[in-house]
Amino acid sequence: DTGVSQDPRHKITKRGQNVTFRCDPISEHNRLYWYRQTLGQGPEFLTYFQNEAQLEKSRLLSDRFSAERPKGSFSTLEIQRTEQGDSAMYLCASSLRGPATDTQYFGPGTRLTVL
Amino acid sequence: QKEVEQNSGPLSVPEGAIASLNCTYSDRGSQSFFWYRQYSGKSPELIMFIYSNGDKEDGRFTAQLNKASQYVSLLIRDSQPSDSATYLCAFHNAGGTSYGKLTFGQGTILTVHP
Repeated sequence: DTGVSQDPRHKITKRGQNVTFRCDPISEHNRLYWYRQTLGQGPEFLTYFQNEAQLEKSRLLSDRFSAERPKGSFSTLEIQRTEQGDSAMYLCASSLRGPATDTQYFGPGTRLTVL
Repeated sequence: QKEVEQNSGPLSVPEGAIASLNCTYSDRGSQSFFWYRQYSGKSPELIMFIYSNGDKEDGRFTAQLNKASQYVSLLIRDSQPSDSATYLCAFHNAGGTSYGKLTFGQGTILTVHP
């Protein structure tokens, strides 16, 4: 499978615990994005990497959230001191900018439930 | 005003009919527009993108873009029950500091009934 992969697919945690998600992009893609999606809404942008550099973070991303892409390949998203409001689907997407646009392909997502 | 608004659903069409999904956006700097399909419990799947005014066809799907009216639509011809899903409109503004992030609408639920 050469698509975007995410791990784990599901995570149930208790409020106050830390969680970490992993995303492996399509191998030749240099751009990687994290989005969050709640029920009935479209995905919301969280943060973006080009290679290993984190170039943009949403105002939605509180200090409890941190993301890394240490070698410009896979990325991790960590949420510290989880809250019930963090329950959502966390989506990773990757892209390789073309001459006309920048088409993003999504992974299967990690569904987080905070009890 | 929301950055992206999609026609409220759910939308129900009979099998074989044309389904029309609409989206308006507020950012005049928007450059590229995307339609994704999302089945329940799954992640978004790219259907097509468009960045020039006019129509773009891909199989049973046609995207239409009118930048002057800030409007993009998706037509699905010969709708099939397997087309039943949530359709997400998104735009990409590569200018300024927004890099390549996508801004999504809330989605329109489409049901195709036999």
